[in-house]
Amino acid sequence: DAMVIQNPRYQVTQFGKPVTLSCSQTLNHNVMYWYQQKSSQAPKLLFHYYDKDFNNEADTPDNFQSRRPNTSFCFLDIRSPGLGDAAMYLCATSGQGSQPQHFGDGTRLSIL
Amino acid sequence: QKEVEQNSGPLSVPEGAIASLNCTYSDRGSQSFFWYRQYSGKSPELIMFIYSNGDKEDGRFTAQLNKASQYVSLLIRDSQPSDSATYLCAVGDNTNAGKSTFGDGTTLTVKP
Repeated sequence: DAMVIQNPRYQVTQFGKPVTLSCSQTLNHNVMYWYQQKSSQAPKLLFHYYDKDFNNEADTPDNFQSRRPNTSFCFLDIRSPGLGDAAMYLCATSGQGSQPQHFGDGTRLSIL
Repeated sequence: QKEVEQNSGPLSVPEGAIASLNCTYSDRGSQSFFWYRQYSGKSPELIMFIYSNGDKEDGRFTAQLNKASQYVSLLIRDSQPSDSATYLCAVGDNTNAGKSTFGDGTTLTVKP
């Protein structure tokens, strides 16, 4: 089955220690998104790629970076995680245009 | 005013009843509308999308769109305890990247 796969499912890191979350897709979708979701809140878009074009949301902290080396993979790098970065991180993909988004299972990030 | 607003919850209905979830949006030019279901601790999953005015039915789910009044709703007929979840309304922009703005969600509880 075509899928969006996020690894790892759970990630624990230390305050200030860089961490990378990964996402892969077999849907061959043009667009990949990274969201941050905290408890009882809506998903908050951090950035998205349309093919290789990177789009950063205005309020995404500089601490968050992303890479998309090819169509299938996308990475979220958090350079110096703070306690406020503890959240569920969701990767999603969609086809071109106003298409539904397909979400991975998410990575739950904890900061010690 | 938020761009996408959902009726405040939580919403509780008895098993077998109809659950009605509402969403209003501010961008009159919006063309694509999505409903996602999110179980606690899980990622959102698409349950309905609608692009045209009127009703769209899929099993026990009906999405209703009224662009003139800028609202979209989701009806769940014969509600089951397994429908208990948070329902997220999302409104797509009209770009190739297809970004969506999410509402804060309405939490539905179906009581046996």
